[in-house]
Amino acid sequence: GAGVSQSPSNKVTEKGKDVELRCDPISGHTALYWYRQSLGQGLEFLIYFQGNSAPDKSGLPSDRFSAERTGGSVSTLTIQRTQQEDSAVYLCASSLGLAGTTDTQYFGPGTRLTVL
Amino acid sequence: TQLLEQSPQFLSIQEGENLTVYCNSSSVFSSLQWYRQEPGEGPVLLVTVVTGGEVKKLKRLTFQFGDARKDSSLHITAAQPGDTGLYLCAGLYNFNKFYFGSGTKLNVKP
Repeated sequence: GAGVSQSPSNKVTEKGKDVELRCDPISGHTALYWYRQSLGQGLEFLIYFQGNSAPDKSGLPSDRFSAERTGGSVSTLTIQRTQQEDSAVYLCASSLGLAGTTDTQYFGPGTRLTVL
Repeated sequence: TQLLEQSPQFLSIQEGENLTVYCNSSSVFSSLQWYRQEPGEGPVLLVTVVTGGEVKKLKRLTFQFGDARKDSSLHITAAQPGDTGLYLCAGLYNFNKFYFGSGTKLNVKP
């Protein structure tokens, strides 16, 4: 596909379980971003990757959150021991050039996570 | 703490009316972007403004970046139902990462 894809589109889990969210960026995009959006609100920055490295992890809410990117392409966001406050839409975006520039970020449709 | 404050939070208007959405901060941004987001989808970039005082027009939408690069506005002329959505501003801070505002939910009634 031509755009950013994310899977699953919806995830319902029980409190305390681990979840893994996946992002497939646009081919050739070197920068990849993860954001979290609560219902109808703005986006909260979590982490960005330049290639496979993550220069800025300051947005990760706690040590239960981790992310990795392999081969400069697919990224996974893992949340361990999920809590109800983790419920949100998790959005991934990719851009062509260096992260933190005015390059256009292309967003995926998001993964809606519900923690019961 | 929200680095970017958007106002109003909600706006419901009739088709044909004009409106302005504001994005304000006490911090200086390298650039500022405006996005529109529809339910169930990711945000889509509308415009990027880089220079203080810059004005950009996109059909019925006019975007302005404040002289001090701390604030921005989005003006829509003769709003249409297709303009309905969540409008988000995002500022690039320290050439490092984007901070998003809390959004303005616009509803244009036919």
